[in-house]
Amino acid sequence: QLQLQESGPGLVRPSETLSLTCTVSGGSISSSSYYWGWIRQPPGKGLEWIGTIYYSGSTYYNPSLKSRVTISIDTSKSRFSLKLTSVTAADTAVYFCARLAVAGTWFDPWGQGALVTVSS
Amino acid sequence: QSALTQPRSVSGSPEQSVTISCTGTSSDVGGYNYVSWYQQHPGKAPKLMIYDVSKRPSGVPDRFSGSKSDNTASLTISGLQAEDEADYYCCSYAGSSVYVFGTGTKVTVL
Repeated sequence: QLQLQESGPGLVRPSETLSLTCTVSGGSISSSSYYWGWIRQPPGKGLEWIGTIYYSGSTYYNPSLKSRVTISIDTSKSRFSLKLTSVTAADTAVYFCARLAVAGTWFDPWGQGALVTVSS
Repeated sequence: QSALTQPRSVSGSPEQSVTISCTGTSSDVGGYNYVSWYQQHPGKAPKLMIYDVSKRPSGVPDRFSGSKSDNTASLTISGLQAEDEADYYCCSYAGSSVYVFGTGTKVTVL
C-alpha cells in the first residue's frame, strides 16, 4: 500500500525558505503513471494546490506561487521536495504531499500533512 | 486562477440527501471532465471520494455520487450518515497542468 510522509522544520522565520520533503514508500516514485504534488491548507481555510512534479523532473506550479516555489525529485531516495522562498505569515499552513494520476486528475493517496508556522 | 465556489455549509438529517455544488468557469470545471471530490475530517488528510466527475474509487460507499452540468459540478450524498459529517472540497483541472480547489463545504448531520 502506497504511503507518503512529509517531514521538515515546523517553524520558519519570516523572509526565510520553507523546505519540506515527502518520502514515498510501498510503491515506485518512478512510475510513468503518476505525478507527485504539494497542496497546502492554512489554519481554518481551504486547500490550495502548490505544484506537481513528474519522475523525469518536469514541474508545474500554481501561477500565484510560481516565483517562490521549487519542487524537486530524488528517485534514488524515493522522495520529492518543496522549497518556498521569502515566506511570510500567510504561508503558515499544513502542507500535504499527494500522488496525482496522469490518466486523470485526482490526488490519492495523501500524506498526513505537516504544519509549518512562519514566525519570528 | 480563482478558487472554485462552494456553499459554506449544508446540512441534513440522517437518511436524507444533500448536494454540494462547485461552480467554476469554462476554463476549469466546464472545460474538462476532470473534477474530483475530497472528504476531510478535522485534523485529517483529505480522502478521495469521486474522480473524473462521477467515478467512485474502490471502498467509497455508493451513496456518494458526482455529476456536472456546464460550469458546475455537484456531489450528492444520499442516505446521509453521521460519519459523513466533514468538510468537502472539489478540485478541477484548469489546463496547462494547473489545478484549482474549491472553497470547501462543511456538511453537518443534524
